[in-house]
Formats: sequence, structure tokens, C-alpha cells
Amino acid sequence: RKEVEQDPGPFNVPEGATVAFNCTYSNSASQSFFWYRQDCRKEPKLLMSVYSSGNEDGRFTAQLNRASQYISLLIRDSKLSDSATYLCVVNDRGSTLGRLYFGRGTQLTVWP
Amino acid sequence: DAGVTQSPTHLIKTRGQQVTLRCSPKSGHDTVSWYQQALGQGPQFIFQYYEEEERQRGNFPDRFSGHQFPNYSSELNVNALLLGDSALYLCASSLSVNRGTNTEAFFGQGTRLTVV
Repeated sequence: RKEVEQDPGPFNVPEGATVAFNCTYSNSASQSFFWYRQDCRKEPKLLMSVYSSGNEDGRFTAQLNRASQYISLLIRDSKLSDSATYLCVVNDRGSTLGRLYFGRGTQLTVWP
Repeated sequence: DAGVTQSPTHLIKTRGQQVTLRCSPKSGHDTVSWYQQALGQGPQFIFQYYEEEERQRGNFPDRFSGHQFPNYSSELNVNALLLGDSALYLCASSLSVNRGTNTEAFFGQGTRLTVV
């Protein structure tokens, strides 16, 4: 079983649409959670951290459910520039120096 | 402030050869992690270096080895290359928990290795 499982995608949505991504993680001891964005042939970049209380950054809302080991990302009013692969990431931080576990990513294409 | 830099950006090697990839962490960061990203997959953790020692290792064979230097830069070495080693190799740097509270990992642009 993989540490992090994500929606397979791809998602193809029109501009202005709302789209939601989900992922689950297997290690209940995981300490911190993130969504990264990766553009084609580029490095992953942190989009936002995810907290149990939920957090919002403009059009992006992330949510964590520790009981269900479930993480979500909601993108409202999609823009063409949102087209990318979105990676669900979990950090074990069980030790002082944690390691990141990545899902395989969900590809989003926003069309005009 | 330079971010994480990796070299080279692209590399083509023949099966059986050896390769060394290099990474300079973001200024002020002391921890370097290496990841392998195959096409269509998420990055997979190879190992992590802190205080010039390998601290954690993922599920990769001994053909993958590394080093961290006193200036925190790092190298990834892969021996006896296989076709399956073709991937994007990403270096990530961060600040250890012991030295700060912001432990966000920053990635370099990666080295795209093709084994033929």
C-alpha cells in the first residue's frame, strides 16, 4: 500500500469552475501535510500547508481530517494559470528530520 | 538570495556508467534530501543528509550513495546505471528542526538523467 494515494485525474475544467482534489495517507503518525504544485518539467513548489482547522489562501482551500487520514484541496474560480500537477505530500516528522511522501499527483488542465 | 541549485540540468549516460549529481542548498539551510521522480509519478525519497551524515534512507539500492560537505552542499552518486534509473532527480533543502521552526522544503530545478 502506498503512503499517499491521490485521485487519479486528469481533471479538465473550464475557466471559472470549482475543482476538488482528495488524497489519503496511510501513516497515522504523520505530522505535517502539504499541497505542492508542479508545472510541466519543473520542480515542485509549495502551494500551501494543510491544517486540521482548515486553511484558505485566496481561491485555494485545504482541509485535513486526521481521523479519516484524508486531505483535500479546493480551487475556486479556476484560472488558466492553475493548470499544473498537484501533489499531495505528507511529512512523517517522526524523527527530528522528517521525510516527504508524495502522491503521484493529479493533473489539472483549465481550458478557456 | 539564491535558491536551491542543481547541476547539471540534463545528462545522458550509458548503462553501466556512473554519474554524480550536485546540489547547493538554499542559503541558511543545513539539510539536503534527494528524490527520484519517474515520468508520471510523484517524487520518491532516496536519502537525506544532515551534519554530513546520511540520516534517513528510502527504498533504494546501495548503487545510490551520497555525500554532504561542510558547506552543506551535497552530491548524489549512482553506480552501474540501469535504464530504469532514467528520471528527474530533485534535491530539496530545509532547515533542521533544531535550528528553526520554518522547516519548509525548497526544491531545485532538478537534473534530468537519461540512461541509454
